[in-house]
This record gives sequence, C-alpha cells and structure tokens, in this order.
Amino acid sequence: KAGVTQTPRYLIKTRGQQVTLSCSPISGHRSVSWYQQTPGQGLQFLFEYFSETQRNKGNFPGRFSGRQFSNSRSEMNVSTLELGDSALYLCASSLTGGPNEQFFGPGTRLTVL
Amino acid sequence: AQRVTQPEKLLSVFKGAPVELKCNYSYSGSPELFWYVQYSRQRLQLLLRHISRESIKGFTADLNKGETSFHLKKPFAQEEDSAMYYCALSVSGGSYIPTFGRGTSLIVHP
Repeated sequence: KAGVTQTPRYLIKTRGQQVTLSCSPISGHRSVSWYQQTPGQGLQFLFEYFSETQRNKGNFPGRFSGRQFSNSRSEMNVSTLELGDSALYLCASSLTGGPNEQFFGPGTRLTVL
Repeated sequence: AQRVTQPEKLLSVFKGAPVELKCNYSYSGSPELFWYVQYSRQRLQLLLRHISRESIKGFTADLNKGETSFHLKKPFAQEEDSAMYYCALSVSGGSYIPTFGRGTSLIVHP
C-alpha cells in the first residue's frame, strides 16, 4: 500500500507570495490533517479535512487555508507569505480521523526569503 | 488553553538503563494523552495513547491526573529507541485537535 505523499518536497518563496502544497493520502483514507513544524513553535495542528469538509481547525490566521477533493487529496494554501511561515509542513491521513491509524507524510520544507 | 511541556530537550542514557521521558500538561478538562515518535529519517508515528493502556516496544505511559503528567517509561533502553519523542494532548471525547510538546531527543549509547 503506497504511503502518504506530499509535493513538492522543498519550496522556496519570497515574502508576499502565496504557495500551495499538496498531500495525497493513503488509498481509502478520508481524513487529511495538516501540521506546521518550526524550531520556535514546535509541531502545531493546522486543520483537518474529512470528506471534502473542514472538520477541525487549529489556531492559525486566515492566510492558511485548505481544501480536499473528492479523491481525498488535499491542498493547503498560504497567502501573503511571511518569513515566519518558513517551516516543515506535514500532512497525515487516516480512515476516519483522530490519531489511530494516522499515517504521516514526509513533509514539505517551505523556505520564505 | 491546553499546554504540554516536555522539560528535557535531550535525554542521553546507556543501553540497558531505564529511561523516563517526562511530559506535563495543563488542561482544566478531561484530556486524552499521546506519545509520538520519529526515528531518524523516518516519518512521525503514533507510539501509544493513554486510553489503550498498551505497552508498545516496551514503552508504557500512565496518565497521572493528580500530577498532570504522562511520562513515557521503559525499563531497559535499546539503541534502536534513539529518536525524537513528542507528547500530545487532545480533548477527551471531542474532535482530535492535538497540542504537542516541543519534543525530547532520546539518545541511547551502546
């Protein structure tokens, strides 16, 4: 069974730009969660999508948004990038959501210059 | 607000020694606690959750509500236990919105 994949793996953007990251879950998984990992703030929950609907949301500004498609693939968008958005963005998929049977992707390393 | 504290950034032990990774939390309600692990060059994965009361790879963790702690313990550390460990908390019975600690890097020397 193929694991969770994230594209691109590395990305460099400049302040003010926007970026879209993609996550392809394990086949059959309907839940996709996104996390931000930085040296300063550690690992933080961004949001979760389930069956194309945002089900849970962490404490991030509206510049961070996402969506999920009918095939469960998910995208995360960050608009008006700031230097502090430089981070490793992880996604995780599971059958129904929650920590059980949650599989993480390798992450996308975003650098904002 | 929920908070998870892992007081040690780095824990270094020798093979065969007992290991305890500390996790303290603050939350006024009923929490659900988890431990995640990330081995070198591998992906983050769930190690165990307190409601399961399982022992995974020899690790156990007991939720102590009086001391608001969920320390991860193993009686005899192995070199393959070297990894980054994260403690996380979520609201019990509600949506899974985890709050993570900053992590502890465990190094087990031969």
